[in-house]
Amino acid sequence: KNQVEQSPQSLIILEGKNCTLQCNYTVSPFSNLRWYKQDTGRGPVSLTIMTFSENTKSNGRYTATLDADTKQSSLHITASQLSDSASYICVAGWGTDKLIFGTGTRLQVFP
Amino acid sequence: DSGVTQTPKHLITATGQRVTLRCSPRSGDLSVYWYQQSLDQGLQFLIQYYNGEERAKGNILERFSAQQFPDLHSELNLSSLELGDSALYFCASSERLAGEYNEQFFGPGTRLTVL
Repeated sequence: KNQVEQSPQSLIILEGKNCTLQCNYTVSPFSNLRWYKQDTGRGPVSLTIMTFSENTKSNGRYTATLDADTKQSSLHITASQLSDSASYICVAGWGTDKLIFGTGTRLQVFP
Repeated sequence: DSGVTQTPKHLITATGQRVTLRCSPRSGDLSVYWYQQSLDQGLQFLIQYYNGEERAKGNILERFSAQQFPDLHSELNLSSLELGDSALYFCASSERLAGEYNEQFFGPGTRLTVL
């Protein structure tokens, strides 16, 4: 069964600290791995997209890694800011253009 | 601002009713996707249209239907509404039909509450 699992479900950190969010996926045939940021009550915004041949991709303070062998991905946030408070959603692409969404990690950054 | 617009922002209705959600994709995007996000659930793919034609179907109930018009805007029709249909409904658009880097841009969503 195609699925995406994320951990932790929620995370609280202090402003300026780093954090890493985890994602395990089971999809076949695997095509790509995406990370989205979703502010409360708003639509998701794409952070990174990686194909199976890419190991890492950065977008400012966000760095995503992908291990296609172990079917794991992580999103590392450096020097967190209050505006990073949001849900971070891992999405696995499979087949021609199908996406499976994880339930997200809710991150709260406190001053 | 993603360039994708959705109306209305909020919708409150009663069980058994029918509603229509509207989406205008980014300029130039031919693909439109509809997603449902229930409380504490991941986004569930409902249906995709490309240049006016249905291209893929996900977990869309028979009570739900959609279409994409010649001007590329799309409508999602929800009928015989039940309490469990209360959710955020997102529309997304992309430039191409498919592909590994086919980025989807999401609208702000319509929050549907069924009482």
